[in-house]
Amino acid sequence: DARVTQTPRHKVTEMGQEVTMRCQPILGHNTVFWYRQTMMQGLELLAYFRNRAPLDDSGMPKDRFSAEMPDATLATLKIQPSEPRDSAVYFCASGLVLGQQDTQYFGPGTRLTVL
Amino acid sequence: GDSVTQMEGPVTLSEEAFLTINCTYTATGYPSLFWYVQYPGEGLQLLLKATKADDKGSNKGFEATYRKETTSFHLEKGSVQVSDSAVYFCALSAGTGRRALTFGSGTRLQVQP
Repeated sequence: DARVTQTPRHKVTEMGQEVTMRCQPILGHNTVFWYRQTMMQGLELLAYFRNRAPLDDSGMPKDRFSAEMPDATLATLKIQPSEPRDSAVYFCASGLVLGQQDTQYFGPGTRLTVL
Repeated sequence: GDSVTQMEGPVTLSEEAFLTINCTYTATGYPSLFWYVQYPGEGLQLLLKATKADDKGSNKGFEATYRKETTSFHLEKGSVQVSDSAVYFCALSAGTGRRALTFGSGTRLQVQP
């Protein structure tokens, strides 16, 4: 049963520290998404990649967030420096986008707390 | 831009009651529509989907029909169980081009024994 995996599941850090979250998409999927979930904003898109190329990162604060896909099996989301307002659950999702097919499968999320 | 509106929660029902969670959308073109479910402390799981008008998605006793004329995708279940207690998200994907999901705010369902 193929799944999206994310590490770490939980992260507590202090303001100003660098945070790196990792995601392993489902093998064969060509699209990876990063979403953030907060009580106030709900689920919002941060960035997404197609065939490892960034297509849209308009949802990310550019000065502190960066997203990359160094290879087809790994996507990373980095925050430097982190701030308390970044506290949220970060979800990675992957999908095989082909024609009308565009179902996304979500990982379990990384719960980030910035003190 | 695209948007999804869900009914406010929480929705509290007794076991075996009928469930409806309303969802309406605004989108250009022909979006795909989805329902995702999130159990406490977990990620989102795809519950069902529909990709064109009049399609009915179904899974685990849940159903939703893509109604283009009313721009709706209401979630229904004939008899809920305690194990259905979760947060339900309606979402759309543009269908072409940008494929990121636009989510509704989520509806918490609480089923009491």
